[in-house]
Amino acid sequence: EAQVTQNPRYLITVTGKKLTVTCSQNMNHEYMSWYRQDPGLGLRQIYYSMNVEVTDKGDVPEGYKVSRKEKRNFPLILESPSPNQTSLYFCASSDRTGRSNQPQHFGDGTRLSIL
Amino acid sequence: GESVGLHLPTLSVQEGDNSIINCAYSNSASDYFIWYKQESGKGPQFIIDIRSNMDKRQGQRVTVLLNKTVKHLSLQIAATQPGDSAVYFCAEGGATNKLIFGTGTLLAVQP
Repeated sequence: EAQVTQNPRYLITVTGKKLTVTCSQNMNHEYMSWYRQDPGLGLRQIYYSMNVEVTDKGDVPEGYKVSRKEKRNFPLILESPSPNQTSLYFCASSDRTGRSNQPQHFGDGTRLSIL
Repeated sequence: GESVGLHLPTLSVQEGDNSIINCAYSNSASDYFIWYKQESGKGPQFIIDIRSNMDKRQGQRVTVLLNKTVKHLSLQIAATQPGDSAVYFCAEGGATNKLIFGTGTLLAVQP
C-alpha cells in the first residue's frame, strides 16, 4: 500500500530535549516536505526537499532541521524544542520533480506537546 | 481529538443533500488547484484536482468548479453521507515551487 509513515504519532516531552520525528514514503517520490498545522493557520511549510541531499527552508523553518540522505526518508529534528513548537506535524511527498502542480500525499500526523 | 476544526467556518447539511464548499484563492498566476479532506486524527487526503485550462472536473460524487475571473474554487459533494464529515481545504499551486493551503471548512453532516 502506498503510504507516508510518520513516527511517533504522539509525543509529550520537555523544553530543550532533542527529538526526531521520522518520515518514510514507499512511493519512490522525489519531493518530500514537512508542515505544521495550528488552529486557524492552516498548513505551514517548515522544510522541503526536492531530492536526495537537497533541502530548502519553507515558511517557518526556525527551530527545525531536516536531512535527506535517502530518497525514502526525511526526518524532522528539533534540536532544542520549545513550547511554541507544540503543534500537529505532517510529512508529505509528491511525484516527479515536486513542482507545485502535483498532489501531495500526507502521513497521518505527529502530535507534539512541548512542556 | 484534533483541534484542527477550531475557528473554522462550518457548513452543516442533512444527510442526502448536496454540499457546496467554497474557496477563494489568492494568486492569479496559480494554475493548479487541489481539494483535500481531513478527518479527525488523520492526515489530509487528496480528493480531486483541476488545472487552469479547465473550469469543471468530476470525480466520484464530487465536482470541482474553477472560476478564474473571480479566483474562486468550489467543491460539490453529491448525496452527502455521514462519512463525508471532515475538514475540507483547498490548495493552489503552479505560480511558485510550493502549494499554498487554505485554512479549511468544517463539513458537519446531520443524520
